[in-house]
Amino acid sequence: DAGITQSPRYKITETGRQVTLMCHQTWSHSYMFWYRQDLGHGLRLIYYSAAADITDKGEVPDGYVVSRSKTENFPLTLESATRSQTSVYFCASSESTAGNQPQHFGDGTRLSIL
Amino acid sequence: GENVEQHPSTLSVQEGDSAVIKCTYSDSASNYFPWYKQELGKRPQLIIDIRSNVGEKKDQRIAVTLNKTAKHFSLHITETQPEDSAVYFCAASMAPHSGNTPLVFGKGTRLSVIA
Repeated sequence: DAGITQSPRYKITETGRQVTLMCHQTWSHSYMFWYRQDLGHGLRLIYYSAAADITDKGEVPDGYVVSRSKTENFPLTLESATRSQTSVYFCASSESTAGNQPQHFGDGTRLSIL
Repeated sequence: GENVEQHPSTLSVQEGDSAVIKCTYSDSASNYFPWYKQELGKRPQLIIDIRSNVGEKKDQRIAVTLNKTAKHFSLHITETQPEDSAVYFCAASMAPHSGNTPLVFGKGTRLSVIA
């Protein structure tokens, strides 16, 4: 769905560098999520946010930082990249109503750390 | 916390045959179970979901069944076609009275439909 966009689509960087992955949604969804996808592990939740200025850790938060100053944006920062953070990163969003609502995913960012 | 196991990890079927993918979950409080399809190089996309107040849901060639007592749910694809080839993920979460709780995903099943 064009309503959620990630940038960049591809990124190569070196260990120790800081890198920020961007996620923008136009649906005004309250909830936003960051996942990483690795072979053999499926989708693992890094961080999520229920609203602006509210964030919470997921299953694998170490080495990552998030912020949510505006509802539509949810950037993910690797403060000092490591090779183990080479992965495909997906951002997702969902509405906030009673009971869970479907999550809509962006196209992903393929990140390689050399 | 919730743990979701998915089987098999790979599945090959002949075109026209049926495919079944099974998932089990650990938290009896979970009550929302979506299935996502991910084609190579693409984003995961929701194909069907079920909530714990129903035991089965169908959408054309796709159906999902839920057994809350046994804590497992399954995806059934009938009359498979080559375009069904993809990785399928199950997930589970507890739906609170308001808002959302994060999904916990299975590790995925790579389905290959052989023409």
